[in-house]
Amino acid sequence: DAKTTQPNSMESNEEEPVHLPCNHSTISGTDYIHWYRQLPSQGPEYVIHGLTSNVNNRMASLAIAEDRKSSTLILHRATLRDAAVYYCILIRGNKLVFGAGTILRVKS
Amino acid sequence: GAGVSQTPSNKVTEKGKYVELRCDPISGHTALYWYRQSLGQGPEFLIYFQGTGAADDSGLPNDRFFAVRPEGSVSTLKIQRTERGDSAVYLCASSLYLAGRFSGELFFGEGSRLTVL
Repeated sequence: DAKTTQPNSMESNEEEPVHLPCNHSTISGTDYIHWYRQLPSQGPEYVIHGLTSNVNNRMASLAIAEDRKSSTLILHRATLRDAAVYYCILIRGNKLVFGAGTILRVKS
Repeated sequence: GAGVSQTPSNKVTEKGKYVELRCDPISGHTALYWYRQSLGQGPEFLIYFQGTGAADDSGLPNDRFFAVRPEGSVSTLKIQRTERGDSAVYLCASSLYLAGRFSGELFFGEGSRLTVL
């Protein structure tokens, strides 16, 4: 399974944008980039995914580098409810393989 | 309910006992996944079903772990002769395959926390 690398933790101030980076230098041409997050005491939830173009949805934006070796999840205005572990995952086959993710702390 | 339901939410058992964990997926979702998560780590894949059959059980750690999905809906994860190292949160997820392809979107339940004393 293709590997992703994320910082262990990040901190943000409430109401400010957050950029969560992910490196995936071994990505292949058909690998989709997925982001999930896991709030405390809950199962992971889907955030967004993309292949080559940048993507936006109601939760976040995904910026994908031109060479696809890295991507950034953007939360436009962080709230306390966005404090969670964020996972960047490459889908290959029919399962998600999670890494350790990035712990996002949001300060009020 | 509309989401994935897992029971029990908490299970405390003694070393050597047998445990069953149940998952009720979202109605109509043909794929069902089991993961387990230890403290401070990301979820670890165990097994997934496409319909009634186990399509990939490569993540099951040993033969003490077994899962079934006899009617293609509810699934049960069974753990025999539990060990203290089995203590973890066991997560179930379901997914709707579109045109026979995995969409990448899994819907997770809240998990069953297993503690083996």
